[in-house]
Amino acid sequence: EDQVTQSPEALRLQEGESSSLNCSYTVSGLRGLFWYRQDPGKGPEFLFTLYSAGEEKEKERLKATLTKKESFLHITAPKPEDSATYLCAVQALGNSGYALNFGKGTSLLVTP
Amino acid sequence: EAGVAQSPRYKIIEKRQSVAFWCNPISGHATLYWYQQILGQGPKLLIQFQNNGVVDDSQLPKDRFSAERLKGVDSTLKIQPAKLEDSAVYLCASSPDQGWYEQYFGPGTRLTVT
Repeated sequence: EDQVTQSPEALRLQEGESSSLNCSYTVSGLRGLFWYRQDPGKGPEFLFTLYSAGEEKEKERLKATLTKKESFLHITAPKPEDSATYLCAVQALGNSGYALNFGKGTSLLVTP
Repeated sequence: EAGVAQSPRYKIIEKRQSVAFWCNPISGHATLYWYQQILGQGPKLLIQFQNNGVVDDSQLPKDRFSAERLKGVDSTLKIQPAKLEDSAVYLCASSPDQGWYEQYFGPGTRLTVT
């Protein structure tokens, strides 16, 4: 059965203090790994898709990387507006549909 | 481009009552998903439509939940009768086609069952 585990559950950073969020996954075959950002009271907002080990993608202060067992979301010099819950999801090969299997998320708080 | 629209945004009902949620996907998107997000959890797929046909409803509690997408555009999700454990945010997402991996989410409907 596909499993997605995110750590830590919560993270508090000072503005400018870089860190990484982890997403460990178990899937029979990976079609894609997704990162979403979710603000309180809103739906998840798409950030990145990674398809194969070794792939990296960047957007402003965020950089996502992928290995065969896990993905990292690196946050460089975060600002308070980066505070949100970050969700990781996997999409497996062979599924009849294209459902995303989500982890529980990492709640990030960046303080001034 | 307008995003995924959902209504209502909030709903409070008593257990055993019925409730319906509405979703209008991004224009032209063939694939529509309904997810349930319980507080502190990631979203969990309930049902996936491709145009007006069901692709995956394996995790839909069919004794109380139903969904339809009659003309391949808008969709409704219904719960009848509601239980306390149905309290959650119901998210609708869409993508251009099944082969398109990224899904775009609406703001969700927060349901409280008392």
